[in-house]
Amino acid sequence: DTAVSQTPKYLVTQMGNDKSIKCEQNLGHDTMYWYKQDSKKFLKIMFSYNNKELIINETVPNRFSPKSPDKAHLNLHINSLELGDSAVYFCASSQDFASQYEQYFGPGTRLTVT
Amino acid sequence: QQQVKQSPQSLIVQKGGISIINCAYENTAFDYFPWYQQFPGKGPALLIAIRPDVSEKKEGRFTISFNKSAKQFSLHIMDSQPGDSATYFCAASGYKLSFGAGTTVTVRA
Repeated sequence: DTAVSQTPKYLVTQMGNDKSIKCEQNLGHDTMYWYKQDSKKFLKIMFSYNNKELIINETVPNRFSPKSPDKAHLNLHINSLELGDSAVYFCASSQDFASQYEQYFGPGTRLTVT
Repeated sequence: QQQVKQSPQSLIVQKGGISIINCAYENTAFDYFPWYQQFPGKGPALLIAIRPDVSEKKEGRFTISFNKSAKQFSLHIMDSQPGDSATYFCAASGYKLSFGAGTTVTVRA
């Protein structure tokens, strides 16, 4: 059983395009996250949602917009893609915000902007 | 500004040897210190975690040592196996989970 799933796994697109990444968790968790992992493997949090409410919004360009239609889903939409957006994006979830040390990560979406 | 500093960046160990990864932090408000393991092409997975009021925690071949006064903690992998070859991240939990830069561990057979 997949706990945290992301689609697509790979995304290759051109500069200026708009794309979305979808995330779903079937763990019944209240809190979901988006992370960006760069080419040096550094993991940086972008957003966190708790019960569909945005609680963490790091210094991320406005071109990135998360949307949580329900507790089990957290999607990431990116407008006007730039070369620097190329990275692996991970969705994660935790039981609640207090349990954020124990996060379950999805398999990642490798975004390549050409 | 990285809130958790991790070293070394990479290490190579022989099968059966001990791998040691060190981390340091500044913020005393952190309430949990987890370690994550990431295999190539996969997402990170929680390996082991420790609270700051505990000095050591062991799970199988993995041990966290925690020194609250020095604001340092480390991961020891005993009897390292080729299957342990992965990138290991220390982290600290506060209002968000802050990760160290990662250590790539290679275990040679």
